[in-house]
Amino acid sequence: DAGITQSPRHKVTETGTPVTLRCHQTENHRYMYWYRQDPGHGLRLIHYSYGVKDTDKGEVSDGYSVSRSKTEDFLLTLESATSSQTSVYFCAISEGNREEVQPQHFGDGTRLSIL
Amino acid sequence: KNQVEQSPQSLIILEGKNCTLQCNYTVSPFSNLRWYKQDTGRGPVSLTIMTFSENTKSNGRYTATLDADTKQSSLHITASQLSDSASYICVVSAVPLDSNYQLIWGAGTKLIIKP
Repeated sequence: DAGITQSPRHKVTETGTPVTLRCHQTENHRYMYWYRQDPGHGLRLIHYSYGVKDTDKGEVSDGYSVSRSKTEDFLLTLESATSSQTSVYFCAISEGNREEVQPQHFGDGTRLSIL
Repeated sequence: KNQVEQSPQSLIILEGKNCTLQCNYTVSPFSNLRWYKQDTGRGPVSLTIMTFSENTKSNGRYTATLDADTKQSSLHITASQLSDSASYICVVSAVPLDSNYQLIWGAGTKLIIKP
């Protein structure tokens, strides 16, 4: 298994509170991604990073921010959590950004509930 | 709009039986198609990738097919085992001329194998 650790694995919080999820990798891969997974939907990209301090938005970036100060860590922050952000969040990594070269490797997810 | 649709949404079969999962896509320009397996509570793991020129590819008891003309792919599982119980996700890569490389994820098929 690729060395990807997500923390926390589970979190329950209240609407309006800030939340930060952490993704840590030991593979030294350049690309890191944050997805959310909801019933009836495919994985949806929130933000991704292509290097230290280099990040870009995905298709569902509103309400989320990210930071990558070190190659191994990629943080996802919900500045003011809303109930619509209740979801399972997955971090993924890849050496390159082309799927035909190699796949993305995923962490085991963080289940976030916002009450 | 680029879309990936998977069918059925869920499927229950008896251990030892075969099954076929479907993936239809409307993605342009097509680059490749990958199947992932996602065990409950875990992140997705790549099973196989199909490029434009490939029709069939096997990975143990898993066989993927691709028909680029009809924009359909299937994943056939032979002699199912209890460990095959999982969600199977189809993801298609697109390389638009005017934007970045994209992944379009299907919502997955939930497969349950009963003893």
